[in-house]
Amino acid sequence: DTGVSQDPRHKITKRGQNVTFRCDPISEHNRLYWYRQTLGQGPEFLTYFQNEAQLEKSRLLSDRFSAERPKGSFSTLEIQRTEQGDSAMYLCASSFGGGRTEAFFGQGTRLTVV
Amino acid sequence: LAKTTQPISMDSYEGQEVNITCSHNNIATNDYITWYQQFPSQGPRFIIQGYKTKVTNEVASLFIPADRKSSTLSLPRVSLSDTAVYYCLVGDANRDDKIIFGKGTRLHILP
Repeated sequence: DTGVSQDPRHKITKRGQNVTFRCDPISEHNRLYWYRQTLGQGPEFLTYFQNEAQLEKSRLLSDRFSAERPKGSFSTLEIQRTEQGDSAMYLCASSFGGGRTEAFFGQGTRLTVV
Repeated sequence: LAKTTQPISMDSYEGQEVNITCSHNNIATNDYITWYQQFPSQGPRFIIQGYKTKVTNEVASLFIPADRKSSTLSLPRVSLSDTAVYYCLVGDANRDDKIIFGKGTRLHILP
């Protein structure tokens, strides 16, 4: 399978715990995006990378969220001190370039904070 | 980024042609129009993209009038499996910008 892979697919955690998600993009893609999606809403932009450089982080994202993409390959999204409001689907996408380029999405990681 | 407006939801029947219109009054000269489809519990999937007039692929057609202030995604002879959320996006190809989604149109196909 050469698509975008996300791990884990599901995560249940207690409030206050830290969680980390991983995204493996399509290998030749230099652009990588993270989105968050709650029920009935469209994907909400969180951050994106061009190779290993983080180009932008949404102002809606608190300091508890951090993302990395070491060596421009896989990426991790960490949420510290999780809150119930963090419960959502976290989606990763990759593309070869930006702008009009087609983005390929993973199946997401569903986070439930109890 | 140009703001887009789509109907929140639509219903149709199997075998019908479905047209979903997206309004983007502030579209800029360099902007392209892209549509994505999202099934429940999956990430969005690219369907079609265009700049002007008409684009057709094996999944859908995209109609863009001369003023480009709107666009219509046309799905021919829909089936139950076309039930999904459809997102219209407008982005500047030259700015190499991020991809921003709106709320989309929830299409429900009835038997």
